[in-house]
Amino acid sequence: SQQGEEDPQALSIQEGENATMNCSYKTSINNLQWYRQNSGRGLVHLILIRSNEREKHSGRLRVTLDTSKKSSSLLITASRAADTASYFCATDNSGGATNKLIFGTGTLLAVQP
Amino acid sequence: DAGITQSPRHKVTETGTPVTLRCHQTENHRYMYWYRQDPGHGLRLIHYSYGVKDTDKGEVSDGYSVSRSKTEDFLLTLESATSSQTSVYFCAIGDRDEQYFGPGTRLTVT
Repeated sequence: SQQGEEDPQALSIQEGENATMNCSYKTSINNLQWYRQNSGRGLVHLILIRSNEREKHSGRLRVTLDTSKKSSSLLITASRAADTASYFCATDNSGGATNKLIFGTGTLLAVQP
Repeated sequence: DAGITQSPRHKVTETGTPVTLRCHQTENHRYMYWYRQDPGHGLRLIHYSYGVKDTDKGEVSDGYSVSRSKTEDFLLTLESATSSQTSVYFCAIGDRDEQYFGPGTRLTVT
């Protein structure tokens, strides 16, 4: 069963706009990560936020985590056509017992030039 | 793709035939994973390995077996391929903080 569910499933915006996508999960986690997947390629790690953190930034990316609501959001500011991709959240809820991640179903982002 | 290669990159096979996919890494990483990606399901873990000859099942392991005789190679075998195993298969290395993915293998079972 999926741990993470992304929302929306698909998002279309204009270049220069901000893109926000959300991830909800079911059980307690150690960390939550976001990955990007360009069409026909493997996933690429973007950012990690630990369960004791509330917000993290990396370049044009901003991630928030609300453990009380079991949700996270990924904000991409000033989007570019090159940001067009699928975005997945992944959670580590193993309690340190394993190195397994559980991935969500993804948000497909299309940035129109 | 972080020193991870997968072979073959594309394969078409018939129902009932055995198929082996290979993942090769040059990073000397202890942990390796096999996922499948299907529309509407995201990535689902099939099997993973935490060392040579040490493997464990993931979420969707039925119909699949794995082997790891060397640190750098992780093999995924479909013992008798079925149409439900048509998918894109990704190998990954890494740990709970970050994983690195190979380019994927597109498998079609007819």
